[in-house]
Amino acid sequence: DQQVKQNSPSLSVQEGRISILNCDYTNSMFDYFLWYKKYPAEGPTFLISISSIKDKNEDGRFTVFLNKSAKHLSLHIVPSQPGDSAVYFCAATRYNFNKFYFGSGTKLNVKP
Amino acid sequence: GAVVSQHPSWVICKSGTSVKIECRSLDFQATTMFWYRQFPKQSLMLMATSNEGSKATYEQGVEKDKFLINHASLTLSTLTVTSAHPEDSSFYICSARDPAGGEKLFFGSGTQLSVL
Repeated sequence: DQQVKQNSPSLSVQEGRISILNCDYTNSMFDYFLWYKKYPAEGPTFLISISSIKDKNEDGRFTVFLNKSAKHLSLHIVPSQPGDSAVYFCAATRYNFNKFYFGSGTKLNVKP
Repeated sequence: GAVVSQHPSWVICKSGTSVKIECRSLDFQATTMFWYRQFPKQSLMLMATSNEGSKATYEQGVEKDKFLINHASLTLSTLTVTSAHPEDSSFYICSARDPAGGEKLFFGSGTQLSVL
């Protein structure tokens, strides 16, 4: 049973435009949500996170929005840059951090 | 952010041999480390949770006798793939959370294992 889902396996965006990556979850008890970026043959790197008590968190070009009623979160990248091309994973965890649940990833391609 | 170091980056071995992968937290103590496996074009699959000073907790379907995990200190966890076979070829990644760093999970750089 996959508790975190990313239904779009890929996304292509023009440089300078906004990239919106989506993530859905099923467990309303999750306390934290995280986004990671991964290049081939490398470990994922942390991008941004949000607590379940918030609905928005912003860090530079990256903004994460959380809609608890819909059990949905999204990552906005503005403006998108070619260097943003990578696979993006969303993840969720409870307050005790005993387990992190990952989505299947979305491959973002930012075209110059 | 916190640094997690993983070695080796890649390893090629013959079928039947064992391979050890090390995961170190360089600037924090990690009572818990997680081991993931990623198949090509697929998601991160949690294999096991490594607990310092106690036995690892394995996910369903992961053979504990094949994937031996040892977490002997607060900064080191090892994954040993015993009697490796070609189907064990994969990208293995460790991760750990800095208790002082909140919810962030930090990953090692991964190990590409190829079993001939």
